[in-house]
Amino acid sequence: EAQVTQNPRYLITVTGKKLTVTCSQNMNHEYMSWYRQDPGLGLRQIYYSMNVEVTDKGDVPEGYKVSRKEKRNFPLILESPSPNQTSLYFCASSLAAGANTEAFFGQGTRLTVV
Amino acid sequence: SQELEQSPQSLIVQEGKNLTINCTSSKTLYGLYWYKQKYGEGLIFLMMLQKGGEEKSHEKITAKLDEKKQQSSLHITASQPSHAGIYLCGADKTSYDKVIFGPGTSLSVIP
Repeated sequence: EAQVTQNPRYLITVTGKKLTVTCSQNMNHEYMSWYRQDPGLGLRQIYYSMNVEVTDKGDVPEGYKVSRKEKRNFPLILESPSPNQTSLYFCASSLAAGANTEAFFGQGTRLTVV
Repeated sequence: SQELEQSPQSLIVQEGKNLTINCTSSKTLYGLYWYKQKYGEGLIFLMMLQKGGEEKSHEKITAKLDEKKQQSSLHITASQPSHAGIYLCGADKTSYDKVIFGPGTSLSVIP
């Protein structure tokens, strides 16, 4: 089954404690991205990757890191989480960037930073 | 300000009623997508519109893109409780750029 898998689904952590949210896709997609969703603000892109070893900042990259060492995986790293990073996070993948291609989304990771 | 606006912000309809959700941009778009999201879950792709004036339908949902490619509408006929959720429009700003999303429209369908 074609899917994007995120882990964990729920996470509560304390300020400053490094964490990683994993994302994996099994569709051989080149393009992957991370979004955060906040009430009233919709989905905002954090980082994206056009292909292996190619990553770039989205609209709200501050406080986040990513890596793309393999095509299927695109982890999101919060080196020192802060309460304003409490949000619902989504990983997405598609065949290519934009170009009228459908994006597949993971089920989301609800992160709470206390 | 949002690059994509959606209206209404929320909608409560009785089962069986028709409804329309709108998505508007101040700029011409290269592609327009509609997604549905159940609360706290991932987005499910509904439809993609590429050409001005294009219209697509899937079951009881019809989406249209205006000729200028700046406005899209999503119409649900004879709504059912299974239609409840958040509907988001997304768009390509350019042929290669990342997709941007509207703030979403929350739909509740009362049996």
